[in-house]
Amino acid sequence: AQTVTQSQPEMSVQEAETVTLSCTYDTSESNYYLFWYKQPPSRQMILVIRQEAYKQQNATENRFSVNFQKAAKSFSLKISDSQLGDTAMYFCAFTPNSGYALNFGKGTSLLVTP
Amino acid sequence: EAGVAQSPRYKIIEKRQSVAFWCNPISGHATLYWYQQILGQGPKLLIQFQNNGVVDDSQLPKDRFSAERLKGVDSTLKIQPAKLEDSAVYLCASSLGVGASNEKLFFGSGTQLSVL
Repeated sequence: AQTVTQSQPEMSVQEAETVTLSCTYDTSESNYYLFWYKQPPSRQMILVIRQEAYKQQNATENRFSVNFQKAAKSFSLKISDSQLGDTAMYFCAFTPNSGYALNFGKGTSLLVTP
Repeated sequence: EAGVAQSPRYKIIEKRQSVAFWCNPISGHATLYWYQQILGQGPKLLIQFQNNGVVDDSQLPKDRFSAERLKGVDSTLKIQPAKLEDSAVYLCASSLGVGASNEKLFFGSGTQLSVL
């Protein structure tokens, strides 16, 4: 079974600062995909960033980047220049292969303060 | 582009009552997912459809939950009878193709169910 663990239930960061959210996962698969989703109070899940396990290069999307350590099974999200609109729940997710649905962690609540 | 529509947004029922949720995915999306998100947890897949066929319903409590996707478009999720532990947000998502790995999932805003 695949498991996704987010060890930080809550985090806080000041506006314009950088914050890193942690995620570890467990799988016996050799090829898989990892995601970070954002869930604001509106409840609508929004894809932040996606990483393919066979790619060594870390994915980046504007202010969002990941640190993917395949051997350690670690997949952290770095948010640079934090903005008030980044306040939300952040979920790490995993899927082993095409045809499978996402397997989510329990989430990290991020608060960005002025 | 219209997003994934869900209704109702909120629902309060008493235990042992029945309830139904509706989802209209993005037009042309072949795959539809229902997730259950209990407070303090990440979403858990209940059922995955490809067109009007079931791909995965291994985590659907079939003694009380049922879902259908008639004509491969809209979908309805039903709970009968509801239990206290069914209190959760029910999220619907859709994707153009099959598989969450190489397809972007689009989520609706969910239905928040409270069972009293």
